[in-house]
Amino acid sequence: LAKTTQPISMDSYEGQEVNITCSHNNIATNDYITWYQQFPSQGPRFIIQGYKTKVTNEVASLFIPADRKSSTLSLPRVSLSDTAVYYCLVGEGGSNYKLTFGKGTLLTVNP
Amino acid sequence: KAGVTQTPRYLIKTRGQQVTLSCSPISGHRSVSWYQQTPGQGLQFLFEYFSETQRNKGNFPGRFSGRQFSNSRSEMNVSTLELGDSALYLCASSLGGVYTEAFFGQGTRLTVV
Repeated sequence: LAKTTQPISMDSYEGQEVNITCSHNNIATNDYITWYQQFPSQGPRFIIQGYKTKVTNEVASLFIPADRKSSTLSLPRVSLSDTAVYYCLVGEGGSNYKLTFGKGTLLTVNP
Repeated sequence: KAGVTQTPRYLIKTRGQQVTLSCSPISGHRSVSWYQQTPGQGLQFLFEYFSETQRNKGNFPGRFSGRQFSNSRSEMNVSTLELGDSALYLCASSLGGVYTEAFFGQGTRLTVV
């Protein structure tokens, strides 16, 4: 069972780049890494998903080193509206895979 | 297009009762998964249904069950409610299953008293 570890909280300022790292030492070969964002009283929202190296979309980048034991979500030029909880999700492969969410990182963006 | 709809939004039940929560996925999505969110345990996966079949299940007791209908709508049932079942229950739908982008509903806040 791949367990994930994220920082509990992070602080940043508007306009800065924010990097949130997730550790998943026991990631399996078939696992993908997915990041979600959640605001209070709302369901999580998909940000980005990757398997290895680097993935970029219009809102974020995901960096995964060769050993895949960690991943880093990069948010460029954050704004106040990016204040939210960010979850790292590792999906285990196999016929009976289980989804493992991290505890989440509360990112607070200050003016 | 319409998003994922969960009903009801809020619910108060008494210990020992049972409860049924409903989830209507995005049109065309065949996968529906359920999650429990609590302050102490965070987001935990309950189960996933795909084309009316349970395809994946998390580590929850048998009191938690679900089903999916032919129109992909899903229901989750919790029997013999315990105080610890108080949580936000989230439903998510996707095209191909839990590895693809999942769209979450706003959840049902269940309080057991």
